[in-house]
Amino acid sequence: NAGVTQTPKFRVLKTGQSMTLLCAQDMNHEYMYWYRQDPGMGLRLIHYSVGEGTTAKGEVPDGYNVSRLKKQNFLLGLESAAPSQTSVYFCASSFDLRLSDPYEQYFGPGTRLTVT
Amino acid sequence: DAKTTQPPSMDCAEGRAANLPCNHSTISGNEYVYWYRQIHSQGPQYIIHGLKNNETNEMASLIITEDRKSSTLILPHATLRDTAVYYCIVLANNAGNMLTFGGGTRLMVKP
Repeated sequence: NAGVTQTPKFRVLKTGQSMTLLCAQDMNHEYMYWYRQDPGMGLRLIHYSVGEGTTAKGEVPDGYNVSRLKKQNFLLGLESAAPSQTSVYFCASSFDLRLSDPYEQYFGPGTRLTVT
Repeated sequence: DAKTTQPPSMDCAEGRAANLPCNHSTISGNEYVYWYRQIHSQGPQYIIHGLKNNETNEMASLIITEDRKSSTLILPHATLRDTAVYYCIVLANNAGNMLTFGGGTRLMVKP
């Protein structure tokens, strides 16, 4: 199992450009998440998905859009990048919450994005 | 979800046990205690979680006080590779499993 993979690993954008970050998981997880982590800070949840075709807003959703067309993939889009979106972006996935115990989240290696 | 309080940093000698405390005095009956860690520049890694009873796995032990207001993560024989930021998170299993990462404890394992 590759676990959770993220593409690309690094990216530099100019203000106003758009891009899509791809997250893929091969663990058949139901839930997927996008977080951002600014220097010296903890992670903050951007958007999440509880299943194919469903998405929901997290703590800091403004300026981002997401799609979950396939269970194994979760895309994060920036329509018009701003310097404030310079950050490290982490994707995560987890199992089905309908089971009796909560399950841990598995994180990808991160995408380092710089917006100039 | 209940808030947690952790010391900002701790040191530990290599080969010794690392004991990382966490206060969660407002924890509710259905909230679990989770521990994650983040090694520099990597994605966070799940370590262990518990509800009431003490738990142990191949990575660590989790000791939860009887009143559940605090807990301690124990790394029995710390190595240099255990140097990381450790996050204590309290989470209900009906909260959509949303992790909220606070400041954590920066553990430095020294030779």
